[in-house]
Amino acid sequence: GDSVTQMEGPVTLSEEAFLTINCTYTATGYPSLFWYVQYPGEGLQLLLKATKADDKGSNKGFEATYRKETTSFHLEKGSVQVSDSAVYFCALSDRTRGRRALTFGSGTRLQVQP
Amino acid sequence: NAGVMQNPRHLVRRRGQEARLRCSPMKGHSHVYWYRQLPEEGLKFMVYLQKENIIDESGMPKERFSAEFPKEGPSILRIQQVVRGDSAAYFCASSLSGDSSGANVLTFGAGSRLTVL
Repeated sequence: GDSVTQMEGPVTLSEEAFLTINCTYTATGYPSLFWYVQYPGEGLQLLLKATKADDKGSNKGFEATYRKETTSFHLEKGSVQVSDSAVYFCALSDRTRGRRALTFGSGTRLQVQP
Repeated sequence: NAGVMQNPRHLVRRRGQEARLRCSPMKGHSHVYWYRQLPEEGLKFMVYLQKENIIDESGMPKERFSAEFPKEGPSILRIQQVVRGDSAAYFCASSLSGDSSGANVLTFGAGSRLTVL
């Protein structure tokens, strides 16, 4: 079945450091890929998405490129802020298999220190 | 637009009691999804519903759990005879259509946190 694997956290960085959170996926179809962010005590919010190979999703300084050859969708940000501290979830949706719900990774907690 | 509303935000139950969690989707959304998040884990899909229909319940435990989305009113996730292992955050999401590709985004509620004593 479909699956998403994320790097384990927590990831602890200083403000203005470069961020990479790795995400790889397994899917037999042609999935769409997403990054969601969960701030403490809140629900998930869509951060960015990509629907086909080589697409780059971007939002709020975060970027991720859909790499079909490596089945990856790594999240990057050039300069993190304390306000980016949250849990980040990689997810996929494979509509070609008739699956209409998202499959999530286990999440990566990011802690940014001043 | 109030977004996806879930209540209660926090619910405490003793073992053997029933828990009912409610979810009102975003205005205009007729597709509802329930996910469960165990402590320090990711979200696990439970069930996908449209108005008056269960479309996909492949993630629902076979016993004690049920879900509905009536023609009028919120979607309800019901857990009978709760056990400590049911303690988790339960998130509801809604969407405009059932196509969960990039054109259709799930909007999540803030979650209901169930604690079973």
